[in-house]
Amino acid sequence: KAGVTQTPRYLIKTRGQQVTLSCSPISGHRSVSWYQQTPGQGLQFLFEYFSETQRNKGNFPGRFSGRQFSNSRSEMNVSTLELGDSALYLCASSPRQGKNTEAFFGQGTRLTVV
Amino acid sequence: AQSVTQLGSHVSVSEGALVLLRCNYSSSVPPYLFWYVQYPNQGLQLLLKYTSAATLVKGINGFEAEFKKSETSFHLTKPSAHMSDAAEYFCAVSEGQAGTALIFGKGTTLSVSS
Repeated sequence: KAGVTQTPRYLIKTRGQQVTLSCSPISGHRSVSWYQQTPGQGLQFLFEYFSETQRNKGNFPGRFSGRQFSNSRSEMNVSTLELGDSALYLCASSPRQGKNTEAFFGQGTRLTVV
Repeated sequence: AQSVTQLGSHVSVSEGALVLLRCNYSSSVPPYLFWYVQYPNQGLQLLLKYTSAATLVKGINGFEAEFKKSETSFHLTKPSAHMSDAAEYFCAVSEGQAGTALIFGKGTTLSVSS
């Protein structure tokens, strides 16, 4: 069974631009979560989608948004990029919602903002 | 709000020695706890999870963790370190009402010397 696929793996953008990252979950998984990983702040939860609806949201500005499609694939968008948005963005999928449900992570998209 | 604290950002051991990575949690309700491992330029891989079924949890690659409610701890151990264990390890607690959002600790980098 294929794992979580994130595209692209690497991305360089200019400050002020916007970016869209894509995540294809494991087949049959309906929950998709996004995390930001930086050396300073560590791993921080961005948001979670289940059945095309945002179920949880972390403490990030409105420039960060996401969506989930009917096939469970998800995208996240960051508008008006800032230098501090440079990070590894990780997507995780789970077969269902639930606090005891393990998350399977993709390899991430490394975004560099210059 | 729930949180986890990992004591020691960097742990060094010799090959064959005991590995002990510390994690303490803060939660007003019975927690769901996880340990993940991250290799360079990779996503996160689940090592093990605690879901209240048993206090001693066995995971992959010879790792195990013991849930101690009295100490609010969930330390990760491995009897004999291997060079391939060198990686970054994250303790996490499941947050949110019903979702799978994870709150991560800052991580502990494990170095293994020959």
